[in-house]
Amino acid sequence: GAVVSQHPSRVICKSGTSVKIECRSLDFQATTMFWYRQFPKQSLMLMATSNEGSKATYEQGVEKDKFLINHASLTLSTLTVTSAHPEDSSFYICSARPDTPGGGSPLHFGNGTRLTVT
Amino acid sequence: AQKITQTQPGMFVQEKEAVTLDCTYDTSDQSYGLFWYKQPSSGEMIFLIYQGSYDEQNATEGRYSLNFQKARKSANLVISASQLGDSAMYFCAMREGNNAGNMLTFGGGTRLMVKP
Repeated sequence: GAVVSQHPSRVICKSGTSVKIECRSLDFQATTMFWYRQFPKQSLMLMATSNEGSKATYEQGVEKDKFLINHASLTLSTLTVTSAHPEDSSFYICSARPDTPGGGSPLHFGNGTRLTVT
Repeated sequence: AQKITQTQPGMFVQEKEAVTLDCTYDTSDQSYGLFWYKQPSSGEMIFLIYQGSYDEQNATEGRYSLNFQKARKSANLVISASQLGDSAMYFCAMREGNNAGNMLTFGGGTRLMVKP
């Protein structure tokens, strides 16, 4: 089945530093990938849609200069949290869907990255 | 308005019994897809089942079935013969339109706890 690999799974960083999270589709191509954030005991909230070869589309309220997204190839998207602050501590999870026609294929998720900013 | 509503924040079920997790949705699109995901405490999102808006039959996948009532805009998940390993968060999600580039919108989730 389709596999999405996300690294790192867990990261602790100091305030003011930047953290890069990678999301790779291992056995399929994905023109579009999605980045979600999940706070404890809450649902997944879409942060941005990552489009290969073009700028990401950010959801309302998400700072594009803080959460930099680069979708450099059909199998790799990266999310960089710049100048991280404790309130950025959260579970970040990426997802991708194979570039096949039709609506039935589900989004496949990475295993998520738990970010803790001290 | 909420696009996906899960009204049960938490549910208990006895092992080996069936349980229904509720999900209602709101969309004006004719073409849409409904998904259920399981999220154990480790955090990964596990795809369980999919129902397309034009599918006439209710989707089934092993012990999972989706009770799709289009007129009521509900897509409840039924888990039969519950197992201890079914204890997890369950999310209902919707994709509007029929495009691989469309994101999923998630409901608030239901925490299912299976009692031995």
